[in-house]
Amino acid sequence: GQNIDQPTEMTATEGAIVQINCTYQTSGFNGLFWYQQHAGEAPTFLSYNVLDGLEEKGRFSSFLSRSKGYSYLLLKELQMKDSASYLCAVDRWLGGGKLIFGQGTELSVKP
Amino acid sequence: DTGVSQNPRHKITKRGQNVTFRCDPISEHNRLYWYRQTLGQGPEFLTYFQNEAQLEKSRLLSDRFSAERPKGSFSTLEIQRTEQGDSAMYLCASRLAGNTEAFFGQGTRLTVV
Repeated sequence: GQNIDQPTEMTATEGAIVQINCTYQTSGFNGLFWYQQHAGEAPTFLSYNVLDGLEEKGRFSSFLSRSKGYSYLLLKELQMKDSASYLCAVDRWLGGGKLIFGQGTELSVKP
Repeated sequence: DTGVSQNPRHKITKRGQNVTFRCDPISEHNRLYWYRQTLGQGPEFLTYFQNEAQLEKSRLLSDRFSAERPKGSFSTLEIQRTEQGDSAMYLCASRLAGNTEAFFGQGTRLTVV
C-alpha cells in the first residue's frame, strides 16, 4: 500500500519562510506533486518533482529525495493569501497515473 | 482551452434520490480521474479512465456509484440512492499520459439531506 504523511496544521508570520514536509512510502514511485487548495475551491497545481533536488518557482520551491521518500514545499515572503491547505500527492507509474494524496497541511499566515 | 469544467457546482438532494455529475476535461487529455473530498481530508481516489476505458475503480466505491466516459471526452459520475455519507466535494482531474501535470476542475459539492 501507500503511506503519505504531512503535518496537519502549521502557523507562520507574514513575510516569513515556512517549510512543509511530506514523507511517503510507496511502490512504483514516479514523482511527487504539490497542490494548493483554498477553502471550498479545487486544488491548484504548484509543482511536480520527478528528479532529486530543488526546483524553484518564484516564492515557491519544492524539493525531492527519492532515496529518503521525502519532499518539502518551501514558501518564502509569506503573504496572507498563502493561507490555504497544501496537498502532497504521490504519482505512481503503477495505477494509471492516479495521484494518491496526503491529508493536507492547513497553513495559517498571521500578520 | 478553458481547463477542466464540472457541472453542477452545487447539488442538494434528498436521501434516496439519484444524482449525476458531469466533467469536461482539457480537450487533449486522455486520462480522467474522479476524486471525493471531505472536510479536512485530501482528495480520495474513486476511479479513472484512459480514453473511454474505465481502468480502475476504488474498492471504497460501492455499487451505487457508476462512471462513464462514452466517447473518451466528457465523463459522468452517477450516485444512486444517495445517502447522507455521500455528502462531499466531487473533484474531476485530467492529464496526459506520462510525467505531466494533473489539472483539477472546480468540483461539485453534494449535500444529501
